[in-house]
Amino acid sequence: DIQMTQSPSSLSASVGDRVTITCRASQSISSYLNWYQQKPGKAPKLLIYAASSLQSGVPSRFSGSGSGTDFTLTISSLQPEDFATYYCQQSYSTRRAFGPGTKVDIK
Amino acid sequence: EVQLVESGGGLVQPGRSLRLSCAASGFTFDDYAMHWVRQAPGKGLEWVSGISWNSGSIGYADSVKGRFTISRDNAKNSLYLQMNSLRAEDTALYYCAKEPAFVTGSYRYCYFDYWGQGTLVTVSS
Repeated sequence: DIQMTQSPSSLSASVGDRVTITCRASQSISSYLNWYQQKPGKAPKLLIYAASSLQSGVPSRFSGSGSGTDFTLTISSLQPEDFATYYCQQSYSTRRAFGPGTKVDIK
Repeated sequence: EVQLVESGGGLVQPGRSLRLSCAASGFTFDDYAMHWVRQAPGKGLEWVSGISWNSGSIGYADSVKGRFTISRDNAKNSLYLQMNSLRAEDTALYYCAKEPAFVTGSYRYCYFDYWGQGTLVTVSS
């Protein structure tokens, strides 16, 4: 099975900061990597698919990069509505494993 | 408007069974693979099971394999999860999710673009 890890597990940041979250797969998954945002009490929301494609309606301050085993989600200028937990997910294998999540909170 | 509405959750004793349903609307249900994802209280997302558009391909997480069965009825636009031999560690909010694919060249990238609001399953004596 493909295992997903994320770092950091949590971070504190201020509005306007540039934030980078890293996701690593236990084996190469090409660009089969998605990113989701989840706010408390809400279902996850798709941000990025295929490692770097921005989902329709998602602000352009979100971007994704990487291929193989190492991926990043970048928020170029953190906004108040971006405080949430972020998950990566691989779609290379049938078992669509998620990473453990990265919680972004207010410094 | 795409809608996914889960139902069937509740309080159940360990070892008993429960059947979850997900009613889909606003899209052509039999064009898409569907999945179940769960989230234990205060924890992260865990993929549980997925099924292709025609039920020809099915997968399960190791944690539920042999106990849970995913199925779908395309005529009823519905997805199901039969959960047997429930354990305390199955306690979670269960989401259903729709999975389209972005095809470019020979690559087919899948992702979950719509999620339901979830149905809570609590396994406790």
